[in-house]
Amino acid sequence: ETGVTQSPTHLIKTRGQQVTLRCSSQSGHNTVSWYQQALGQGPQFIFQYYREEENGRGNFPPRFSGLQFPNYSSELNVNALELDDSALYLCASSPPSGQQETQYFGPGTRLLVL
Amino acid sequence: DQQVKQNSPSLSVQEGRISILNCDYTNSMFDYFLWYKKYPAEGPTFLISISSIKDKNEDGRFTVFLNKSAKHLSLHIVPSQPGDSAVYFCAASKRFSVGNQFYFGTGTSLTVIP
Repeated sequence: ETGVTQSPTHLIKTRGQQVTLRCSSQSGHNTVSWYQQALGQGPQFIFQYYREEENGRGNFPPRFSGLQFPNYSSELNVNALELDDSALYLCASSPPSGQQETQYFGPGTRLLVL
Repeated sequence: DQQVKQNSPSLSVQEGRISILNCDYTNSMFDYFLWYKKYPAEGPTFLISISSIKDKNEDGRFTVFLNKSAKHLSLHIVPSQPGDSAVYFCAASKRFSVGNQFYFGTGTSLTVIP
């Protein structure tokens, strides 16, 4: 069984640019959540996708957007990058509702905005 | 607004002794609580969970205790082993339509001294 994978592992961008991060869910999982983990902080919920629809959003501006595809893989897009967007971005997948409500995390993408 | 708090950024324990990690939350709507363990350069790994209908859950060396009236949970590791050295995150969730939004604490870095 393949776990959650994310690409790229590291990324350097400059302020004002746009970035797309990718996530492949664990097999059988139809829900994907994205988190931002700043240095010294816990993961902060960005949004969640279920069956290609956004299903809940944290306190992040609209320049953070996402997509989920029919195979349940997902993208996180961030426009107009700011220095404070520098963080580890984690993707987590979870199984269909009714099973153990646990999210399984990928290794993350570390984004540095200069 | 930090709804889940881990007030101890770090903890050092001798091998073989008990490690106790603490977590407090503010939102009485949380109904599911989890502990995750994170090694450097990896995503958080699920460790143990507890539903709000229970006050204790045990899995091998790991036990989680929930005190709903105090809005407090703790993770006990007995006996502690050097391989337990990692950052531990407490997380809580409240259910919405499908899936769960997880709220994370800031983490406690555990060092088990051989």
